[in-house]
Amino acid sequence: NAGVTQTPKFQVLKTGQSMTLQCAQDMNHEYMSWYRQDPGMGLRLIHYSVGAGITDQGEVPNGYNVSRSTTEDFPLRLLSAAPSQTSVYFCASSYWRYPGKRHEQYFGPGTRLTVT
Amino acid sequence: ELKVEQNPLFLSMQEGKNYTIYCNYSTTSDRLYWYRQDPGKSLESLFVLLSNGAVKQEGRLMASLDTKARLSTLHITAAVHDLSATYFCAVAGTAGNKLTFGGGTRVLVKP
Repeated sequence: NAGVTQTPKFQVLKTGQSMTLQCAQDMNHEYMSWYRQDPGMGLRLIHYSVGAGITDQGEVPNGYNVSRSTTEDFPLRLLSAAPSQTSVYFCASSYWRYPGKRHEQYFGPGTRLTVT
Repeated sequence: ELKVEQNPLFLSMQEGKNYTIYCNYSTTSDRLYWYRQDPGKSLESLFVLLSNGAVKQEGRLMASLDTKARLSTLHITAAVHDLSATYFCAVAGTAGNKLTFGGGTRVLVKP
């Protein structure tokens, strides 16, 4: 199992550019989510999904879009990058339907994004 | 709205001594997580606490949960340099797997 993978590892964008951060998992997890981590802070939830075709907003969704067409993939799109979106982005996955299996959440290695 | 507060924000430790990190949260939850993060790295899962009175131990780390007080503690016994990292607690809301994180405790263990 590769676990949760994210690409790219690093990215520099100019203000106004758009891009997609990729996230994939091979554990057949229903639940996937995106967090951002700003310097010296904890993670904040951007968007999440409980299965293919189902997404919802987290705490800080503005400026980001997601879709979930397959169980494995959960891309995060920045529509028009702003300097305030400079951050480290983590994707996570876990089981969802089975209470006994819901506990462990697996985090990807992160994407470090700088917007100039 | 679920809020999670950790303290202290920074902990300078001496090797061999014991310390505690506190995690308070504002509303009912059925799961509390502790993670470790090294600089530039992802989160490493340490513990998942599921019920009132739960206690888990791994090496020099021990975590406990008091759901009535909405408080979890992470106790470090006889600190060693390898434990230098940032520690986060995170609380899952009762509606599902959404995690709300505390602000983190940066731990530096000095010889």
